[in-house]
Amino acid sequence: QVQLQESGPGLVKPSQTLSLTCTVSGASVSKTGYYWTWIRQAAGKGLEWIGRIYTNGANDYNPSLKSRVTMSVDRSTNQFSLNLRSVTAADTAVYYCARELWPSSARLDFWGQGARVTVSS
Amino acid sequence: QSLLTQPPSASGTPGQRVTISCSGSSSNIGSNYVYWYQHLPGTAPKPLIYMNNQRPSGVPDRFSGSKSGTSASLAISGLRSDDEADYYCAAWDDSLKGVLFGGGTKLTVL
Repeated sequence: QVQLQESGPGLVKPSQTLSLTCTVSGASVSKTGYYWTWIRQAAGKGLEWIGRIYTNGANDYNPSLKSRVTMSVDRSTNQFSLNLRSVTAADTAVYYCARELWPSSARLDFWGQGARVTVSS
Repeated sequence: QSLLTQPPSASGTPGQRVTISCSGSSSNIGSNYVYWYQHLPGTAPKPLIYMNNQRPSGVPDRFSGSKSGTSASLAISGLRSDDEADYYCAAWDDSLKGVLFGGGTKLTVL
């Protein structure tokens, strides 16, 4: 069974960098045919797609976040990561990692439970 | 951020049939598949429908999806109390070059 688990600090200061890691079990981030994706949900809001990364490092980012986002894949640890720079209170949200099937974009078949991140001084 | 348009809420009584709509444009629903997710707060969203009308293994046939033009719908028949959740549609957007989600519909089972 494929499982994903987000980890990282639950509190980040404004203007700093939010860093989250997603550990994958039951599947390999090295295998072709899948994107590795980040989505977030602010309180009282809907889901927002942040972006995705392929095993070869190719990526697609939400244009509204593109200038602040970097994603990476670590095949040795079977993890992928999200860095979001210059955060503000508006970045406070539950962050989910998920597996997205290629090329069926938007087909997210396995999700993590989510990691709550608060941006506050 | 553009969103696919969903009604914020829907409701029904046990056993009823409920439909949730999702409206988009030619750059998303009009030219790409639609996906539906069920989300209970504090849990991982669950895939319900993929490629407009296909159900993943384990999803009961009470859930069905359809698409016409730039709109899509999720129908839930034989409504149960444990269907109470938030429902999201999603589609790739060719202009955005990213995934768009609907704003979500909160389903209440009365």
